[in-house]
Amino acid sequence: IVLTQSPGTLSLSPGERATLSCRASQSVTSNYLAWYQQKSGQAPRLLIYGASSRATGIPDRFSGSGSGTDFTLTISRLEPEDFAVYYCQQYNTSPEWTFGQGTKVEIK
Amino acid sequence: QVQLVESGGGVVQPGRSLRLSCAASGFTFSNYGMHWVRQAPGKGLEWVAAISFDGSNKFYVDSVKGRFTISRDTSKSTLFLQMNSLRAEDSAVYYCARGVGDCPNGVCYRSHHFDYWGQGTLVTVSS
Repeated sequence: IVLTQSPGTLSLSPGERATLSCRASQSVTSNYLAWYQQKSGQAPRLLIYGASSRATGIPDRFSGSGSGTDFTLTISRLEPEDFAVYYCQQYNTSPEWTFGQGTKVEIK
Repeated sequence: QVQLVESGGGVVQPGRSLRLSCAASGFTFSNYGMHWVRQAPGKGLEWVAAISFDGSNKFYVDSVKGRFTISRDTSKSTLFLQMNSLRAEDSAVYYCARGVGDCPNGVCYRSHHFDYWGQGTLVTVSS
């Protein structure tokens, strides 16, 4: 399964809403879709799993939605620390784990 | 607290070998599948290899099949990646990550996603 993220770069100001898209080439098994945040020089951090469940300690301004082939990560109001690269990731029963190419959220 | 600490990276010539290690602590290592994920400089994330909680199942991305071997030592709570016949395109930061998903009674039989990551170790393949 190929994951395509859009846009490649999102230029927004603090306080604005960010909407990131992840589209799969085939339906994602049981919505096994996760989102990660990666800041420069750091390891990825799990934000969302099962398409819409927040990981431990993740603020509620982060939310995930979608099913089948179309998924969305929404950041309701951007904080300065939210400017980073975001990746979606899927699992299927082959087993296979694949990532999207990433969306960079930058300060406008 | 959960900690994953990778080591073993470095500069190596094409065709040579390297062995990465990931020391785990803060959780019951034998209850979780473990993974290696890599990131080439300036690029995205690529899953590389996985090993089941009990070491009985191993999986690889096509590009490393036959060259890389994932293993684990439960007595030392350590994950390994033996990398042979290295190529320039294997140059990347290699992360180990804990897999979670189907975890009845605290044992994770299947990894759907990765909840903890190490800080990564850099592998550079160059002559």
